[in-house]
Amino acid sequence: KAGVTQTPRYLIKTRGQQVTLSCSPISGHRSVSWYQQTPGQGLQFLFEYFSETQRNKGNFPGRFSGRQFSNSRSEMNVSTLELGDSALYLCASRKSDTEAFFGQGTRLTVV
Amino acid sequence: AQSVTQPDIHITVSEGASLELRCNYSYGATPYLFWYVQSPGQGLQLLLKYFSGDTLVQGIKGFEAEFKRSQSSFNLRKPSVHWSDAAEYFCAVGAQGAQKLVFGQGTRLTINP
Repeated sequence: KAGVTQTPRYLIKTRGQQVTLSCSPISGHRSVSWYQQTPGQGLQFLFEYFSETQRNKGNFPGRFSGRQFSNSRSEMNVSTLELGDSALYLCASRKSDTEAFFGQGTRLTVV
Repeated sequence: AQSVTQPDIHITVSEGASLELRCNYSYGATPYLFWYVQSPGQGLQLLLKYFSGDTLVQGIKGFEAEFKRSQSSFNLRKPSVHWSDAAEYFCAVGAQGAQKLVFGQGTRLTINP
């Protein structure tokens, strides 16, 4: 059974640009969550989608947004990139109120 | 508000020695508790979870954890570590299961040969 797939694995962007990250959950999992991991702030919850609806949102500015498609795949978008957005972005999928399975992450570097 | 504290930022143990990583949580209701492991540049791998029932839970790779409600703790243990256990370990608490996980700052484990 394939795990959570995140693409791309690495990205380099310039300040002010926007970026879109993609996440394909485990087959049958309808919930997708996104987390940001930085050395200073650790792992922080961004948002969660279930059946194409955002169900939970973390404390991040509106530049961070996401969506989920009917096949449960999810995308995360960050607009007007700042240097501080450099991080490992992790996607996790769940079947229900059970454990979350994480992908390998997308390493975003903003220069 | 939920919070998780991992008091030890970095721990070094010798190969073959026993290991205990500490985790304390703050949560108003019965928590869902998790331990994840992360190797450099990789995602998080679930080691074990506690939802309810037996307070001693077994996980993968020979790890176990004990939920102690009176101490608000969920410490991770392994009787004998292997060099391949070197990684960063994260304790997490979830509301309504794993909908929104709050993570500790992590404990980096180094293994001496």
